[in-house]
Amino acid sequence: QSALTQPPSASGSPGQSVTISCTGTSSDVGGYNSVSWYQQHPGKAPKLMIYEVIKRPSGVPDRFSGSKSGNTASLTVSGLQAEDEADYYCSSYAGSNNLLFGGGTKLTVL
Amino acid sequence: QVQLQESGPGLVKPSETLSLTCAVSGYSISSDYYWGWIRQPPGKGLEWIGSIYHRGSTYYSPSLKSRVSISVDTSKNQFSLKVSSVTAADTAVYYCARLVPTTGTAAYWGQGTLVTVSS
Repeated sequence: QSALTQPPSASGSPGQSVTISCTGTSSDVGGYNSVSWYQQHPGKAPKLMIYEVIKRPSGVPDRFSGSKSGNTASLTVSGLQAEDEADYYCSSYAGSNNLLFGGGTKLTVL
Repeated sequence: QVQLQESGPGLVKPSETLSLTCAVSGYSISSDYYWGWIRQPPGKGLEWIGSIYHRGSTYYSPSLKSRVSISVDTSKNQFSLKVSSVTAADTAVYYCARLVPTTGTAAYWGQGTLVTVSS
């Protein structure tokens, strides 16, 4: 099992939208509606932002949205704010109670 | 509010066994959910190590399966991780988390604990 593929970096100006991709295979991302997205600020534990591809936990701004097409899931952050600058990780259930993470994307707010 | 707290030695010698414990408060481990360990080497991404259900079923990352053991102590509401034959590559921040079965969603995480493997 290989890690899910994410771009190492992404950026956008305040107010803009940015989309981060997460590519897997039909055995993980494409096979289950079990993709999660986590935000991690330096020195902090990851925070759940999106789960089951499109669902948002209570308290997460609706500027954060998720989607999936085939073997690729995406996280879109709309109306970028300075506090959105962080590392973002995707994860996917991979069958047989296995879990895969992406390599992470560093989001920079210009 | 569910809270998780990792504890254990911050320094382990090469070839020895890394041992960590995660104490859970605000929720009974015996009720439901999987309880898992995830690690993050310095400057790198997250890696799932393994998970356990309160009844004792365990699931491990194929890449670590031969060296990892996770156990649960429902009487103390905690679960533990052991990684044997450690090398410098096992140096990481180790997180414990509560995971939803079949989706792996982790809404609750510990703060993480840095374990360094060095002589």
